[in-house]
Amino acid sequence: GNSVTQMEGPVTLSEEAFLTINCTYTATGYPSLFWYVQYPGEGLQLLLKATKADDKGSNKGFEATYRKETTSFHLEKGSVQVSDSAVYFCALSDTADSSYKLIFGSGTRLLVRP
Amino acid sequence: DAGVTQSPTHLIKTRGQQVTLRCSPKSGHDTVSWYQQALGQGPQFIFQYYEEEERQRGNFPDRFSGHQFPNYSSELNVNALLLGDSALYLCASSRGQPHSPLHFGNGTRLTVT
Repeated sequence: GNSVTQMEGPVTLSEEAFLTINCTYTATGYPSLFWYVQYPGEGLQLLLKATKADDKGSNKGFEATYRKETTSFHLEKGSVQVSDSAVYFCALSDTADSSYKLIFGSGTRLLVRP
Repeated sequence: DAGVTQSPTHLIKTRGQQVTLRCSPKSGHDTVSWYQQALGQGPQFIFQYYEEEERQRGNFPDRFSGHQFPNYSSELNVNALLLGDSALYLCASSRGQPHSPLHFGNGTRLTVT
């Protein structure tokens, strides 16, 4: 079945450090891939997306490239800020069964220290 | 432009009771999905409503049911509550096409005692 696996957290970084959060997926078709972010006490917000292989999604300094050969969609940011502290979720939407649902990973908590 | 709104924000119920959660979608959206997020986990898909019909359902028992109204707002009902139903329930709205980005509300925190 379809699934998403994320690296376990928490990930603790100092401000201006480089961030990588790993995400790999299993899908039967050709999924669209997403990163969502959840700030404390809030719902999820779409951070970026990619709909086909080799696409790069980017937003607010975050980037992720859809790698079909490694079934990965790792999230990166060159210089994190304290305000980036949140929980990050990788998710997929599979085209194979005309599915409308998102399948989420378990989330990775990021803590950025001043 | 109001986003997705959910009510109530918090709720405490006793095992065996029934609960109704409410959601108003973002303006211009006609599709509502419900997700359950257990503590420390990612959201799990419950079901999606489009044109007042349940379009797709996840692996949840029949105790979980829903409804969509002509104004696109939606309700999630859970009967015979179990302790394991304690979670954050998230509503997400979107346009009707597959893979359309979801816009989430802040959720309803349900505690079953």
